Amino acid sequence: AQSVTQPDIHITVSEGASLELRCNYSYGATPYLFWYVQSPGQGLQLLLKYFSGDTLVQGIKGFEAEFKRSQSSFNLRKPSVHWSDAAEYFCAVGARGGGFKTIFGAGTRLFVKA
Amino acid sequence: GAGVSQSPSNKVTEKGKDVELRCDPISGHTALYWYRQSLGQGLEFLIYFQGNSAPDKSGLPSDRFSAERTGGSVSTLTIQRTQQEDSAVYLCASSLGAGDSPLHFGNGTRLTVT
Repeated sequence: AQSVTQPDIHITVSEGASLELRCNYSYGATPYLFWYVQSPGQGLQLLLKYFSGDTLVQGIKGFEAEFKRSQSSFNLRKPSVHWSDAAEYFCAVGARGGGFKTIFGAGTRLFVKA
Repeated sequence: GAGVSQSPSNKVTEKGKDVELRCDPISGHTALYWYRQSLGQGLEFLIYFQGNSAPDKSGLPSDRFSAERTGGSVSTLTIQRTQQEDSAVYLCASSLGAGDSPLHFGNGTRLTVT
């Protein structure tokens, strides 16, 4: 069974600063990897996904993530954070076989200071 | 509608009562998930339906929780003899079914047990 760890419960960055949110997964093969965002009062929205191929994937709102097999990581990055990026971010892993169910990490809450 | 629809959006119930939460997935989506999100917690997997296969109930926290999916479409999550610790937001999501299919979430049902 797969599992996901997001080591940081919350992170605070200044507007305009760069951002990196960490995600580590455990799975026996190359998983499907996702990042979702949940803005205050909003539903969860897909930011980006990795299935295969290029290990650096681009998503919406200027986010990108890099899959590193050797580190079992899929960290989310953004070069310059905007105040509207304040939200909760969830990393998720989908299995390639069996039940295909998607498992989420505990989330990282991002605070942006002016 | 175009998205996943959940009802009610809010539910307040007394301890010991039964509640039913409804999810109407996106048409054509074969996979349907229920997750629970408690304050400050991540997304806790509850149950997963995929087509006509037997559901994956491995996340249901107790036998007070059950879910069904009728006709491969609408799903109902039932909580019997509710307890205060059941208070949470219950999220439903649907997808095209494969592990690489991103999830589309509803806005959730906020359950408060008094």
